[in-house]
Amino acid sequence: AQSVSQHNHHVILSEAASLELGCNYSYGGTVNLFWYVQYPGQHLQLLLKYFSGDPLVKGIKGFEAEFIKSKFSFNLRKPSVQWSDTAEYFCAVHNAGNMLTFGGGTRLMVKP
Amino acid sequence: EAQVTQNPRYLITVTGKKLTVTCSQNMNHEYMSWYRQDPGLGLRQIYYSMNVEVTDKGDVPEGYKVSRKEKRNFPLILESPSPNQTSLYFCASSLPRLAGGTSNEQFFGPGTRLTVL
Repeated sequence: AQSVSQHNHHVILSEAASLELGCNYSYGGTVNLFWYVQYPGQHLQLLLKYFSGDPLVKGIKGFEAEFIKSKFSFNLRKPSVQWSDTAEYFCAVHNAGNMLTFGGGTRLMVKP
Repeated sequence: EAQVTQNPRYLITVTGKKLTVTCSQNMNHEYMSWYRQDPGLGLRQIYYSMNVEVTDKGDVPEGYKVSRKEKRNFPLILESPSPNQTSLYFCASSLPRLAGGTSNEQFFGPGTRLTVL
């Protein structure tokens, strides 16, 4: 069965620090990859997605992610975080079937 | 405004009392799904529907039912709720996969926080 792992469950950073959140998945075939963000008390919103082509994708609010096929990874990055980035971040993988599998989430707290 | 709505937003009930959580989308999306969100487990898919009258089990379907009689609505039914179904539930919708298999972004509803005593 497909699985998605986010190894960092909680991350605390100061403003202006750089961010990298890890995401690894287990499916060996063609995948579509997503990062969603959930701000406190809100529903999930799409940050960015990878379908094909350039493995470095840019999303909203200065976020980017790099797909490394050989490592089955899709890590999320941001060079300089802001207090408003405090949220929970979810990696998700859509395989050739119709199941969308989410990772366990990473709670990010940015200290002002 | 394009959106996914869920009702109720909050519900406290007792074990065994049947309940339905409604989900409706106004974007004419074919694909709809239900997830539950639990701390440390992320979102797990309960059921999904590719189109009207087409539903399939996700990762954690036990104890849940769904129906898709109309394109816009995808209610989640708990025939006999139990305390382990206390969770935050999200409905989502999207367009179907494009030719070639490319997925489309899912749009999520605001969530329904369910407590089963």
